[in-house]
Amino acid sequence: QQPVQSPQAVILREGEDAVINCSSSKALYSVHWYRQKHGEAPVFLMILLKGGEQKGHEKISASFNEKKQQSSLYLTASQLSYSGTYFCGTEHSGTYKYIFGTGTRLKVLA
Amino acid sequence: NAGVMQNPRHLVRRRGQEARLRCSPMKGHSHVYWYRQLPEEGLKFMVYLQKENIIDESGMPKERFSAEFPKEGPSILRIQQVVRGDSAAYFCASQRGGLMNTGELFFGEGSRLTVL
Repeated sequence: QQPVQSPQAVILREGEDAVINCSSSKALYSVHWYRQKHGEAPVFLMILLKGGEQKGHEKISASFNEKKQQSSLYLTASQLSYSGTYFCGTEHSGTYKYIFGTGTRLKVLA
Repeated sequence: NAGVMQNPRHLVRRRGQEARLRCSPMKGHSHVYWYRQLPEEGLKFMVYLQKENIIDESGMPKERFSAEFPKEGPSILRIQQVVRGDSAAYFCASQRGGLMNTGELFFGEGSRLTVL
């Protein structure tokens, strides 16, 4: 089952914060976050492996809940360069194939 | 330190022709994935390959589509008798595999297929 992301789309002004959620009906082995800018390839942001883990990368951080069924990506003091579509990704339980969430389109306005 | 290389970047075909998309994974990576992306949509899994083996092709249409990852050379996604609905961006991604694998994928720049 494809992880479901929310919201589907969000518009921010520079400096505002955003949270993107990724939910699965089953526990995930790990979760990865990617950003894809328009017309470009997705780029890996970070990986979370353990339940309860939190990880930061400059002003972008993420958490993975204890049950490993939900991950959230936190964008703080957003910049224009944060605009793009964010995907969570994971190895599908029992099949080894790597699947992506439904995606969240983020647009940051000046 | 070359990343994932895909070619061609853009391909135009007429209905009924064949399209061949190539992907060379990052050095040291033995796993390759192919995804299809329509404009403004998500990444749809097509196939997962390791050297000389198709691990999971559950996302590939049963007809006209095939993929391979030979012992030597790039992975190839082949679409026979293309139709307009095949127009999309096709992304290849590689993964390290083995004990050093932390799972993340590294993407090529994509091949954009247009069927006239």
